[in-house]
Amino acid sequence: DIVMTQSPDSLAVSQGERATINCKSSQSVLYSSNNKNYLGWYQQKPGQPPKLLIYWASTRESGVPDRFSGSGSGTDFTLTISSLQAEDVAVYYCQQYYSIPHTFGQGTTLEI
Amino acid sequence: EVQLLESGGSLVEPGGSLRLSCAASGFTFSSYAMTWVRQAPGKGLEWVSGITDNGGSTYYVASVKGRFTISRDNSKNTLYLQMNSLRAEDTAIYYCAKAGNGSPYSAMVYWGQGTLVTVSS
Repeated sequence: DIVMTQSPDSLAVSQGERATINCKSSQSVLYSSNNKNYLGWYQQKPGQPPKLLIYWASTRESGVPDRFSGSGSGTDFTLTISSLQAEDVAVYYCQQYYSIPHTFGQGTTLEI
Repeated sequence: EVQLLESGGSLVEPGGSLRLSCAASGFTFSSYAMTWVRQAPGKGLEWVSGITDNGGSTYYVASVKGRFTISRDNSKNTLYLQMNSLRAEDTAIYYCAKAGNGSPYSAMVYWGQGTLVTVSS
């Protein structure tokens, strides 16, 4: 199985400041035939199901604010929130969908 | 509007069985792969199982293989998870989620609210 490791486990950022969450996979999730990274980012607020933010490592899902961005390729990925808002307090997960099982990172708790 | 409504979760004794259902609406169900993801209390997310749009291929995490069976009825717009030989470690909220296309090799673009399964004597 591909192991997904996020860092840090928790993060406190002031409102309006930048937040950066890292995700590393134990093997590449870049599919060479289509040059796509099979990597998604999800946001989960307390008592709610997860919500897709980013897919293909850097494509923002419809309706997601543009302060959220994803980057990286191969085994190293980053989710950046450019200017943290109060409503961004949540747990963030990366997930690879390159190989079965589609494993998640352990989650990063983002606080203000 | 996409809606996914899970049901069937309850308290069950170890070794027992449950069948979860996920009723889908607001999209062409037969065109999308579907998955089940679980979350133990206070823990992270664990992908459990996936199925292609036509139900022709199914996939499982090792810990449930041989005990759980995913299926779908495209005429009823419903996804199922048959859970047998349940263990305490299967206790979790079970979410159904819609893939971005017909293949499970896709991000999960929409999630239901989940149904709680508790395995305890």
